[in-house]
Amino acid sequence: AQSVTQLGSHVSVSEGALVLLRCNYSSSVPPYLFWYVQYPNQGLQLLLKYTTGATLVKGINGFEAEFKKSETSFHLTKPSAHMSDAAEYFCAVSDSSYKLIFGSGTRLLVRP
Amino acid sequence: GAVVSQHPSWVICKSGTSVKIECRSLDFQATTMFWYRQFPKQSLMLMATSNEGSKATYEQGVEKDKFLINHASLTLSTLTVTSAHPEDSSFYICSAPGGQAGGPKNIQYFGAGTRLSVL
Repeated sequence: AQSVTQLGSHVSVSEGALVLLRCNYSSSVPPYLFWYVQYPNQGLQLLLKYTTGATLVKGINGFEAEFKKSETSFHLTKPSAHMSDAAEYFCAVSDSSYKLIFGSGTRLLVRP
Repeated sequence: GAVVSQHPSWVICKSGTSVKIECRSLDFQATTMFWYRQFPKQSLMLMATSNEGSKATYEQGVEKDKFLINHASLTLSTLTVTSAHPEDSSFYICSAPGGQAGGPKNIQYFGAGTRLSVL
C-alpha cells in the first residue's frame, strides 16, 4: 500500500523567503510523485511531477522538488515566496493504476 | 492543456433528495475518471474509479448504493448522491488522467469541484 505524510499542516513564511514544504512517501513499487496546489473552492492544479529520470524536478511558478529515494522524500521548495503562493499544497503518490493517494495537505501562509 | 469541467459548482438540497454531479473531459477522451471527496480543511479521499462502459470500482468504506457512478461515454462521468443527508455535505472533485491523445496517463486533470450542502 502507498501512503504520503506531509509534515506541518501550516507553514508561514515572509514574502521573499525560502519556501520548504515536506513530503515523505511509502511505496512498495517505484512511485510516481506529484505536488498539487489548491486555491479556495477550486480544484487542484499540478505544480510538478516525478516519474522517472532526473530526480530534481522543476515545476510551474518557480517551484521545484527533489526525489530522494534513500530518504523516501519529495520536498517542495521555492527560493522566494510571493503573496500569490498562499494556498493549500498537496503531495501525492500513485502507481501504475494512476490512482492518487494524497497527503493531508499543508497550508502555506505568506506574510507581507 | 486538457480541461475537465465539473457541474454544478455549488448545490444546496434538502435532506432525502438526490443530487447528480457531472464531470466532463472537454478536449480529450477519458476511459477512466476518479471521484474524490474533501472535507473542510482536509485532504482528498478517493471514493471510486469510474470506468467507461463498466461498473465503477469503489474504495473501501464507500457505499455503492449511496454514491452511484455512471460513465456512459468517453467524456462524461456522473456521481449521484442518493437520499442525501447533512453528513454527505462536502466538496466533491473529479479527475481524469491523460489529457490529449498520447499524453502520459500518470497526469491527472482535475475539475473545479462541487460543493454540496445538504440541509
